[in-house]
Amino acid sequence: NAGVTQTPKFQVLKTGQSMTLQCAQDMNHNSMYWYRQDPGMGLRLIYYSASEGTTDKGEVPNGYNVSRLNKREFSLRLESAAPSQTSVYFCASSPAPTSGGGTQYFGPGTRLLVL
Amino acid sequence: AQSVTQPDIHITVSEGASLELRCNYSYGATPYLFWYVQSPGQGLQLLLKYFSGDTLVQGIKGFEAEFKRSQSSFNLRKPSVHWSDAAEYFCAVGAITGGGNKLTFGTGTQLKVEL
Repeated sequence: NAGVTQTPKFQVLKTGQSMTLQCAQDMNHNSMYWYRQDPGMGLRLIYYSASEGTTDKGEVPNGYNVSRLNKREFSLRLESAAPSQTSVYFCASSPAPTSGGGTQYFGPGTRLLVL
Repeated sequence: AQSVTQPDIHITVSEGASLELRCNYSYGATPYLFWYVQSPGQGLQLLLKYFSGDTLVQGIKGFEAEFKRSQSSFNLRKPSVHWSDAAEYFCAVGAITGGGNKLTFGTGTQLKVEL
């Protein structure tokens, strides 16, 4: 069982470039999430998808878009990268709240540097 | 809105000593509470969780946490720390909304273990 996988592991972008971060889970979870982690700020929710076909904004959605491609995959897109988006990005997934209480399982992260 | 406070940014303990990491939360209803651990360069691993029932919950690696509603706290404890416990620890509170479980994280406590 791979759990939650993320690609790429590390990426360097120039300001204004675009990229898509990929996330996939093999646990048949309904919900998926994207967070960013910055020093001293913990993890902050960017977007989430409660179920296939739905997406909602989190705490810090500006500058990002997401796509829930199917039940397994949830991608995060930066259309025009800015230095403020330099961060570590984590994807997570959770089962339905009635199954496991909505515990979230995290991927290994993508380290993004925007120059 | 829910929030989590971890008042200790850094804690240093000697190997074999006891440990308590503090977590205070703000949430309007009965919270779902979590502790996660993050080793350097890694994703987040669930240590333990509280949904309901017994207020003292046991987790992996010998950790436990106690939910105290009157103090809005969910402190993490370990009787005897091992050098491998050195990591960053995050407390989180969850809200079940529309099928997903949105987590709000604290800013983390960095644990250093002296040999």
